[in-house]
Formats: sequence, C-alpha cells, structure tokens
Amino acid sequence: ETGVTQTPRHLVMGMTNKKSLKCEQHLGHNAMYWYKQSAKKPLELMFVYNFKEQTENNSVPSRFSPECPNSSHLFLHLHTLQPEDSALYLCASSQDPDIYNEQFFGPGTRLTVL
Amino acid sequence: DQQVKQNSPSLRVQEGRISILNCDYTNSMFDYFLWYKKYPAEGPTFLISISSIKDKNEDGRFTVFLNKSAKHLSLHIVPSQPGDSAVYFCAASGRGGGSNYKLTFGKGTLLTVNP
Repeated sequence: ETGVTQTPRHLVMGMTNKKSLKCEQHLGHNAMYWYKQSAKKPLELMFVYNFKEQTENNSVPSRFSPECPNSSHLFLHLHTLQPEDSALYLCASSQDPDIYNEQFFGPGTRLTVL
Repeated sequence: DQQVKQNSPSLRVQEGRISILNCDYTNSMFDYFLWYKKYPAEGPTFLISISSIKDKNEDGRFTVFLNKSAKHLSLHIVPSQPGDSAVYFCAASGRGGGSNYKLTFGKGTLLTVNP
C-alpha cells in the first residue's frame, strides 16, 4: 500500500449505531488530519494530530471521537450521529505541520446516516 | 463567512486551449496558497503551490499567479487535456491565520475539457 488509505470507502449507519473510520498513511509523515466535505460546501478541518498528539479540534461535536495510536494510524469513532452528518470524510497527512508543505489525502469514506 | 472563494462552480474548455481557474481570498494574513485536483471517488491530490513572496510559480502545463494587492490567485492550465477534467480546489494557509497547517479551502470549480 502506498500513500494514504482509508477504510471503509462507503458506510451506511443508523443514528444509534457505533462505527469507526480508519486511516493509514505510508509516507512517514508526522501529522494527520480529518476533514469533512458536505455537499456544496468547502472541505472543513475537523481534527489535527501532530506526533500522535491532538493539536486542533475545530469545534467538532462530541459524537465524533478521534484516536491516533501512532503517527501512521488515525481513527474516527462515530456514535449517535445525525442525518446531517452524512458527508465525505477525508483523512490527510503531511510531513511537518509547522512548516509549509502540502497535505496528502486519502480517497475518503462516503458516510450516510439514516 | 468564506475566506476563500471560488466563484465559478464550473468551467468548460476545449482541448488544447487554456483553462483559467480563479480564486479570491479575504484574509490578508494568508501567505501560502495551494491548488488541489480531485477526481470522482478519489481524494484531492496536490497540484501546485505558491508562497506570498512570489507572484508566479510554474510546473509544466500548470502555472499559478498570485496578486496580493487584489487578494486573487489563478491557476492556468495550457494546453488543457481531457484528463484535466476534475474539480479544482484552491486552499490557503498562513501563520497569521492560526497555523501553517490549517488549510482553508474554497468550494471548488468543476473543469470539463472537451476533446
């Protein structure tokens, strides 16, 4: 595997379900990010992890719970979501968040909440 | 309030011609700008970037121009190819905006290059 991978690619869940999104980067990067892309809206940054430590929580509701066990893996745990949480969830990584460099994105998980 | 705006949701261009994608920003503290390209069912891929100390950056068929006084940047693709058909996102970041890593994205412009 190369680059940034995300699983599952598609997820349909009920509002009472608990599920997790997984992201893995094979680039040796130190920072990982979760973004949300809703229809007709710009990408919105949700969380940032730098060397496994959360450095940003962009006012995300607590029904989204991130976890970063190491620099290569990032999870987004979902529970009691709302239909308006249906969106494309993108994971990204970058070498060093403290200098300007591009972020590399995974293919995303298309989430539908019923 | 959108800090990065891509006012054209779509653009259609003939193969071989120039594609010009525009982006405006409002936060004068932004000092690093990026363009990403996104195909359906894939994540955005980095295309080209420019620092505010420059007004032009070129990479093959892709050139980004930055006009700081107008808070405007544009991406030129020449010649355009059918494989360039994708959604193009403009993004900006800067220390003044909070942190280097925090990218603020526009809504994207769908480019269609007709053969």
